[in-house]
Amino acid sequence: AQSVTQLGSHVSVSEGALVLLRCNYSSSVPPYLFWYVQYPNQGLQLLLKYTTGATLVKGINGFEAEFKKSETSFHLTKPSAHMSDAAEYFCAVSARRGSQGNLIFGKGTKLSVKP
Amino acid sequence: DTAVSQTPKYLVTQMGNDKSIKCEQNLGHDTMYWYKQDSKKFLKIMFSYNNKELIINETVPNRFSPKSPDKAHLNLHINSLELGDSAVYFCASSQDRIGRLLYTGELFFGEGSRLTVL
Repeated sequence: AQSVTQLGSHVSVSEGALVLLRCNYSSSVPPYLFWYVQYPNQGLQLLLKYTTGATLVKGINGFEAEFKKSETSFHLTKPSAHMSDAAEYFCAVSARRGSQGNLIFGKGTKLSVKP
Repeated sequence: DTAVSQTPKYLVTQMGNDKSIKCEQNLGHDTMYWYKQDSKKFLKIMFSYNNKELIINETVPNRFSPKSPDKAHLNLHINSLELGDSAVYFCASSQDRIGRLLYTGELFFGEGSRLTVL
C-alpha cells in the first residue's frame, strides 16, 4: 500500500524567499514520485517527477525536488518565490509497475506569495 | 488545441437527477482516468480505462458508470445524484498501457467539471 503525507496545508512566503513544500511517502515497492501544481480553476499539471537515477530532479518554473530514500521524503523547493507561484501543490506516489497510473495524491499544500 | 477537454465545466443540478460529463483527449494516449476532487481538494481516482477496457474501478457507488466509446473518449454518467456527489471531477490521460515496459506515470489533466448538487 502507498500513501503520501504533505506537511502543512498552507504555506505563505514573501516574494523572493525560499519555497519549501514537504512531502513524505510510504511505499512497499520502489516508488515513482511526482509533484503536480494546480492553479485556480485549472487542472493539474506536472511540475517534476522522480523515477530512477539522479535523486535531485529539476522541473518547470525553477522548482526542484530531492528523493531521499532514507527519509522517505520528496520535498519541493524553489530558491526564490515569484507571485505567479501561488497555487495548490500536490505530491503523489505510484508503484513503478502494475499501478497503471493510479497516482496516490497527498492532500495538497496551498502556497501563498506575499509581495 | 486543448489536450484533454471536459464538458461541461460547470454543472448545477437537483438531487435525484442523472447527469453526464464528457471527456476527450487528442494526445493519442491509450489510458484515461476519472478523478474526484472533494471540497478539501483531496484527489482520488475513480476509474481508469486502457484502450476502452476498464482497468481500475475504485470503491465508487454503482450510480457512477464510465463509458469509453473509443480510446480518445471517456465519459462519466451519474445516476440519482446525491448531495455528496458535489465535487470537481477531473479527466486525465497518460501514454502508459498494459504490458508496456516503460511506465511514465505522468498524467495530463483536463480543467475539471465542477458539479453542484442542490
